Amino acid sequence: KAGVTQTPRYLIKTRGQQVTLSCSPISGHRSVSWYQQTPGQGLQFLFEYFSETQRNKGNFPGRFSGRQFSNSRSEMNVSTLELGDSALYLCASSLARGDRSTDTQYFGPGTRLTVL
Amino acid sequence: AQTVTQSQPEMSVQEAETVTLSCTYDTSESDYYLFWYKQPPSRQMILVIRQEAYKQQNATENRFSVNFQKAAKSFSLKISDSQLGDAAMYFCARNNAGNMLTFGGGTRLMVKP
Repeated sequence: KAGVTQTPRYLIKTRGQQVTLSCSPISGHRSVSWYQQTPGQGLQFLFEYFSETQRNKGNFPGRFSGRQFSNSRSEMNVSTLELGDSALYLCASSLARGDRSTDTQYFGPGTRLTVL
Repeated sequence: AQTVTQSQPEMSVQEAETVTLSCTYDTSESDYYLFWYKQPPSRQMILVIRQEAYKQQNATENRFSVNFQKAAKSFSLKISDSQLGDAAMYFCARNNAGNMLTFGGGTRLMVKP
């Protein structure tokens, strides 16, 4: 099976712009989670989508949003970009058959976002 | 907040030797899962090993094994016969309700030839 894919791999934006990142999960996986990785804060959970519904959300401002399509592909959007949004954004997929899931999450290669 | 702590920011091991990476965690739950992920310079997070908290037997995957001490909330990773390709950042993580992973700060492992 193909792994989790993320596009684009690299992005450079300026402050105030918005950006959309895309994630395609492993075939058959219905849960997609997003994480932000920065040197200062480490890996932090953004949100999780399951069957086109946001099921869980981390502690991030409303500028960070996402959605999931019927084919389980997910997009994440950041509006009004700030310098501090520069990070590696990782997407992970899992079967996640229940809300209290024990299924392993498999990660994509990430999108490196730089905000100037 | 339920946290995961990796007390060793950096570790070094000689090729072919054994190294142990430490991880402790905080939880009020009795049923949970623990993971070790590896992140090489390519930045791709790769699952190394997974441990179910209800299982007493420590998980093993080839050269990788864990020492899971549930009462102490400790979950260390042992890498045997270290190889140059093992050099990477290693993250310990536990799952929370809602399919959310909480990660430790990571340990950078260097392997000396």
